[in-house]
Amino acid sequence: NAGVMQNPRHLVRRRGQEARLRCSPMKGHSHVYWYRQLPEEGLKFMVYLQKENIIDESGMPKERFSAEFPKEGPSILRIQQVVRGDSAAYFCASSPPGTQYFGPGTRLLVL
Amino acid sequence: AQSVTQLGSHVSVSEGALVLLRCNYSSSVPPYLFWYVQYPNQGLQLLLKYTTGATLVKGINGFEAEFKKSETSFHLTKPSAHMSDAAEYFCAVISRGGGGADGLTFGKGTHLIIQP
Repeated sequence: NAGVMQNPRHLVRRRGQEARLRCSPMKGHSHVYWYRQLPEEGLKFMVYLQKENIIDESGMPKERFSAEFPKEGPSILRIQQVVRGDSAAYFCASSPPGTQYFGPGTRLLVL
Repeated sequence: AQSVTQLGSHVSVSEGALVLLRCNYSSSVPPYLFWYVQYPNQGLQLLLKYTTGATLVKGINGFEAEFKKSETSFHLTKPSAHMSDAAEYFCAVISRGGGGADGLTFGKGTHLIIQP
């Protein structure tokens, strides 16, 4: 009974490159959430998706960030042309409606 | 709009002493309330949650929290601290009736330090 899976666990990118973060929700969960945790801060909501639909992207930066949750496969958070300020831990959570269960996170470092 | 305030970014207690981590929230509608724990370089683990019913909720590892609507609080307690409790603790809220459509709103976290 696997939990929420995220990969990679650690990702290093140079400025201007693209970062792709993957999240596989728990079995039977159809809701996926992405959060960002910056140093010395709490987690900030980014986006909420269901299969093939973005439900709430009110926390997503307007540029360079996108997310998808295709019919088949994991949810992807994509960051184009990364900058140093994108360095953070990115967490995915999944749920049925209600309680969210978190993955181990992807720690992105932009050099 | 909703918000969460955790009083004290760092709390230090002696092993065996009472743990009290404070959380106050604001929400325009009755909320669901959560406490999560995060160990270094790991994800968040759910400690406990309040949705409806009994206002005193028990969680894992001996933690419990009480929802007090009149005080808009959801403080986390544990009678006797253990060294393994050292971690970052996050209080979070989500508006009831959102059907899971809204993301959790988190407090900034409280780093719990256990002194031997």
